Amino acid sequence: GAVVSQHPSWVICKSGTSVKIECRSLDFQATTMFWYRQFPKQSLMLMATSNEGSKATYEQGVEKDKFLINHASLTLSTLTVTSAHPEDSSFYICSAQGSLAGGRLYFGPGTRLTVL
Amino acid sequence: DAKTTQPTSMDCAEGRAANLPCNHSTISGNEYVYWYRQIHSQGPQYIIHGLKNNETNEMASLIITEDRKSSTLILPHATLRDTAVYYCIVRVGNDMRFGAGTRLTVKP
Repeated sequence: GAVVSQHPSWVICKSGTSVKIECRSLDFQATTMFWYRQFPKQSLMLMATSNEGSKATYEQGVEKDKFLINHASLTLSTLTVTSAHPEDSSFYICSAQGSLAGGRLYFGPGTRLTVL
Repeated sequence: DAKTTQPTSMDCAEGRAANLPCNHSTISGNEYVYWYRQIHSQGPQYIIHGLKNNETNEMASLIITEDRKSSTLILPHATLRDTAVYYCIVRVGNDMRFGAGTRLTVKP
C-alpha cells in the first residue's frame, strides 16, 4: 500500500524555539495533505488541510501564524510550530490523499513533540 | 463534530470474531463510512470503507444496514495484535474527522 513518512519521529525542544515537521508521500502524489494533533488519551483533532500550491485551510481555533503549513510539492508538506511552548507538546500526525477526490487517506507514523 | 457514535471499549477473546458497532444516523446519501484503527503511539491504519454495500477485504468485513444508519466492523479471527482503538468515520466532503473510537482489547 501507499506509504507516508514523517520526520522526525520525535523531537524535544526548548520553549520559544521553532520546530519543523516533514510529511512525505513516498510512492504517490498527494494533492491534499491533512495535519492532525493528538493529546494523550484523546482522539485525533484535525488542524488544517493543505492543497499543493495553495494556502492551507485551518480549523477553527488553530492559529495559522503559530502552525505554519507549506505544501510546496505533491510529495511534501511541512508543519512548523513557531515559538513552541509546553502546551504545544503533542503527537502530530499527517495524512495524504491521492489525486482521486474522496480517496483513501494514508497516515504517517506521527511525530512526538516535547517542549521543555 | 464527529457524526458517529461508538462504544467506548470492548473486549474480545483471541481467535473469536470481534464485532464493533457504529451508529451514524445522520449520514447523507453520498457519504462513505470509513474504519481506521490506531495502535498505541502510531498513525492510524486504514481498514475498510463502504457506501451502502457490504464490503470485505483481507483485514475485515464491513456490514452496513439497509437504511445506512449503522454499521458493524467484523474482525473474523481476532489476535492480540488487533488490540487498538478503532475509529468509525463518516467522511464529509474531503475531511476525515475522528471521534472517540472504540478501544478493543483482545484477551488470550
